[in-house]
Amino acid sequence: AQSVTQLGSHVSVSEGALVLLRCNYSSSVPPYLFWYVQYPNQGLQLLLKYTSAATLVKGINGFEAEFKKSETSFHLTKPSAHMSDAAEYFCAVSDQSDYKLSFGAGTTVTVRA
Amino acid sequence: KAGVTQTPRYLIKTRGQQVTLSCSPISGHRSVSWYQQTPGQGLQFLFEYFSETQRNKGNFPGRFSGRQFSNSRSEMNVSTLELGDSALYLCASSQDRANTEAFFGQGTRLTVV
Repeated sequence: AQSVTQLGSHVSVSEGALVLLRCNYSSSVPPYLFWYVQYPNQGLQLLLKYTSAATLVKGINGFEAEFKKSETSFHLTKPSAHMSDAAEYFCAVSDQSDYKLSFGAGTTVTVRA
Repeated sequence: KAGVTQTPRYLIKTRGQQVTLSCSPISGHRSVSWYQQTPGQGLQFLFEYFSETQRNKGNFPGRFSGRQFSNSRSEMNVSTLELGDSALYLCASSQDRANTEAFFGQGTRLTVV
């Protein structure tokens, strides 16, 4: 069974500062890993995904994440925060046996002007 | 191309009633999954349909059911509604079962009073 832990339910950053959201996973088989973003009253939008290709994954809106097997981590970063990055972010894992997505609890990002 | 369409967007029902939610996936996508999102439990997997067959089911009572039609459109039904069923119900579609890129609809906000 796979699961995801997101460290920190709230992150506050200044505009222009680094955004770092932490995600650790547990999976008995090589996982697929994802980061999604959710704006208020909206569905989830895929930011990026890891599917066993390159360990450094680049996504939309300037986000990237690095898969580190030794640390079972898939942290999300963005070098310079923008006001429009204020949203809730979810890390998710899917294994190759049952394909369902298991989500972390989410991290709410606020961006200070 | 059009995204995942969920109808209705908002719904208010009374305890004991039943409700049907609809999801139209992206054209060409054959896999449809449903998730429940609540503040307390987060995002939880309900079930997955592929080629009109339920392939996977989460830990929800039998009051939650679904189906998929030959055009890949899916419906989920909740019978004998309880207050705790109030949630955002999200539908996700993907081309295949691997869910390497699942696209989410905007969700249906169900309120049970």
